Amino acid sequence: DTGVSQNPRHKITKRGQNVTFRCDPISEHNRLYWYRQTLGQGPEFLTYFQNEAQLEKSRLLSDRFSAERPKGSFSTLEIQRTEQGDSAMYLCASSLATGAPTVFGAGTRLSVL
Amino acid sequence: GENVEQHPSTLSVQEGDSAVIKCTYSDSASNYFPWYKQELGKGPQLIIDIRSNVGEKKDQRIAVTLNKTAKHFSLHITETQPEDSAVYFCAASIRGAQKLVFGQGTRLTINP
Repeated sequence: DTGVSQNPRHKITKRGQNVTFRCDPISEHNRLYWYRQTLGQGPEFLTYFQNEAQLEKSRLLSDRFSAERPKGSFSTLEIQRTEQGDSAMYLCASSLATGAPTVFGAGTRLSVL
Repeated sequence: GENVEQHPSTLSVQEGDSAVIKCTYSDSASNYFPWYKQELGKGPQLIIDIRSNVGEKKDQRIAVTLNKTAKHFSLHITETQPEDSAVYFCAASIRGAQKLVFGQGTRLTINP
């Protein structure tokens, strides 16, 4: 296991379409996070899972966004009815425990036309 | 909630010189402060971190200092090299919380 894996790396979609991203965390990490990063800004927290339970969601996560981690392993982030303002880098990260180092994936860059 | 301010937004130094990036945080309950390096097209990479029970930590050319009273922490890079050019982010995490709150980033350029 070489790190956090995200697919796809790039996604171009038309406004109004649905998109889904996948994240495979480091295998022994039970904590998984999604962040969003816009150009020139730091990552912003979206949501957090401990095993399969989604324990925290940011106000940034509108009703059009849904995240799952069905078996406590990989996670998916779905955006429905995409808007141009959803264009950003979506970063997945994982950690072993509270306060342990958080390891980020390379991200999925979404462009909504 | 927690707020992290980072300065400067851009920094240009000559190769071999030192670079210093500073961050302040607002919530005194924060107890974990990592620094990440992000290169173009890549995700943030953890380079060093410090906890609130430690005042300074060093790893080769990189060091971080923490002043809990003033609620600020700094990244120091000595003997800079061209490969140090990247965007650097500081972050803070409140005790018991899971999320990291990031600063706005510093674009560091090392001039040969």
